Amino acid sequence: KNQVEQSPQSLIILEGKNCTLQCNYTVSPFSNLRWYKQDTGRGPVSLTIMTFSENTKSNGRYTATLDADTKQSSLHITASQLSDSASYICVVSRSSASKIIFGSGTRLSIRP
Amino acid sequence: DAGITQSPRYKITETGRQVTLMCHQTWSHSYMFWYRQDLGHGLRLIYYSAAADITDKGEVPDGYVVSRSKTENFPLTLESATRSQTSVYFCASSVERSGPYEQYFGPGTRLTVT
Repeated sequence: KNQVEQSPQSLIILEGKNCTLQCNYTVSPFSNLRWYKQDTGRGPVSLTIMTFSENTKSNGRYTATLDADTKQSSLHITASQLSDSASYICVVSRSSASKIIFGSGTRLSIRP
Repeated sequence: DAGITQSPRYKITETGRQVTLMCHQTWSHSYMFWYRQDLGHGLRLIYYSAAADITDKGEVPDGYVVSRSKTENFPLTLESATRSQTSVYFCASSVERSGPYEQYFGPGTRLTVT
């Protein structure tokens, strides 16, 4: 079954600290993996998109990694800011049937 | 302004009523999508469209109808609203369905069915 599991479900950290969010998937055949940031009351916004051949991609203080062998991805946030408080959603696409599977997200709260 | 917009942003309706949610994009993207987002679930695809006059079901299409007479518009209609359709609805657009291209999401419509 094609699934995307994210952990933790929620996380609270202090401003300035680093954190890592996890995404494990069983989607096959794999096409690409995306990380989205969703602020409360808004639509998701893309952070990174990675294909099979890419194992690291950065977008400012956000760095995503992909291990296609173990079917795991992580999103590392460096020097967190209050504006990083949001839900982070991992999305994996299948290359056959062109299907997109969304994870349930990790709710991140940054405390001053 | 360029982008993807949804209207209304908030809607309260009664069970059994018909309601239409509007979505408009200015990029001329081929693909447009409707998702619903509920607590405890990831975003779930309701319907998508590959081009004007081409639509297809997603994973939760029951109770919804879509049309796409123009590339830029993709309205979603609940023909007879039920309480289980209370949700936040997101429209999105992209140049492709699932390739390594961004999907751009609208701001969402919060629908409450009483």
